[in-house]
Amino acid sequence: ENVLTQSPGTLSLSPGEGATLSCRASMTVGDNYLAWYQQKPGQAPRLLIYGAYIRATGIPDRFRGGGSGSVFTLTISRLEPEDFGVYYCQQYDRSPRTFGQGTKVE
Amino acid sequence: QVTLRESGPALVKPTQTLTLTCSFSGFSFTTSGINVAWIRQPPGKAPEWLARIDWEGDKFYTTSLETRLSISVDTTANHVVLTMTNMDPTDTATYFCARTEFSRGPFDNWGQGMLVTVAS
Repeated sequence: ENVLTQSPGTLSLSPGEGATLSCRASMTVGDNYLAWYQQKPGQAPRLLIYGAYIRATGIPDRFRGGGSGSVFTLTISRLEPEDFGVYYCQQYDRSPRTFGQGTKVE
Repeated sequence: QVTLRESGPALVKPTQTLTLTCSFSGFSFTTSGINVAWIRQPPGKAPEWLARIDWEGDKFYTTSLETRLSISVDTTANHVVLTMTNMDPTDTATYFCARTEFSRGPFDNWGQGMLVTVAS
């Protein structure tokens, strides 16, 4: 299976600062079928980015996805209070679908 | 508006079979490309994909749990059902159902999830 490794495990930041999250795949993610989700306590993950860089409906442009192949990034410019939570990357190229272990932005 | 909602028992005993239902609305399951998947998330851990069923009724399972899982759909009732046999305390998790618009697509809509605890 395609193992996704996220770094760092935790980012300690303040509102207004920027964040860069990394997701590295053990195998190439074909067609850049890589998504990012945000999850807050007690809630389901919410789709932010798909196709490595395409923002989902209603996602503000301070969220930017990048990368290709096996290395991907999620950049959040100017953190808003509602952006704090756990972020997961997920590949939907191969079966089984796999998720990274998450990066907590606190 | 697309919605999904999980239902089932909150508590099961070890060795029992878990049956979860995902009730959905706002889309037709028979639309080309539609998939509904089950994903679980143990407390404090990352999500884990379990199974999916597509608009043609084809079924896919995660290899490690394939012998214990069964997924089915009732298109008239708009339900997707997951059964998991021989439950163990390590299966304690929040179970989500989620939709993709394409077989190779992101999970664009999720249910709220339900916590299933396995304990005697």
